[in-house]
Amino acid sequence: RKEVEQDPGPFNVPEGATVAFNCTYSNSASQSFFWYRQDCRKEPKLLMSVYSSGNEDGRFTAQLNRASQYISLLIRDSKLSDSATYLCVVNGDTNAGKSTFGDGTTLTVKP
Amino acid sequence: GAVVSQHPSRVICKSGTSVKIECRSLDFQATTMFWYRQFPKQSLMLMATSNEGSKATYEQGVEKDKFLINHASLTLSTLTVTSAHPEDSSFYICSARDGGRSGANVLTFGAGSRLTVL
Repeated sequence: RKEVEQDPGPFNVPEGATVAFNCTYSNSASQSFFWYRQDCRKEPKLLMSVYSSGNEDGRFTAQLNRASQYISLLIRDSKLSDSATYLCVVNGDTNAGKSTFGDGTTLTVKP
Repeated sequence: GAVVSQHPSRVICKSGTSVKIECRSLDFQATTMFWYRQFPKQSLMLMATSNEGSKATYEQGVEKDKFLINHASLTLSTLTVTSAHPEDSSFYICSARDGGRSGANVLTFGAGSRLTVL
């Protein structure tokens, strides 16, 4: 079993749709959690950190459930520019611990 | 926010030559940097953890004699692909953490280096 598993995707949705991505992690001692976005042939860029209390940034909402070792990302009112690969990233049990990446979920938003 | 500069962004070389890629943290010090490789339509794969002033830690299956990592200062790590072969053609990306400004454990990535070995 992979340490971080994401929905395999791809997701193809129309503009304006709401789409949710799920991610599970196996290390219960993991400390911090993030969603990154990677555009084709570019480096990953931080989309948002994920907190137990849940956090929202505009159309994006991230949630963490430590008991279930589960992370989610919700995108509302999808835009064409949201098309990208979304990476779930989990950091180890120390501040200097390795980051473990999910394989990514590809989203394509169509007109 | 934190900025990581990676150079060169694109390199084409002949088989058998060595290629050096630089990764610099521009406005913060990074005792640890990470090197990844990503093949087309595949996920990021961590190759090694670069430690300032000491040897890099390589992931299983990564040849340390082929992928030489040097982290001689708090702002610079280099990856040298020695005796490159066509199968080494890939997208190489570095990252570092700026625990102070960007928040603990947030990784900032360089723009990546696309290596093509002919």
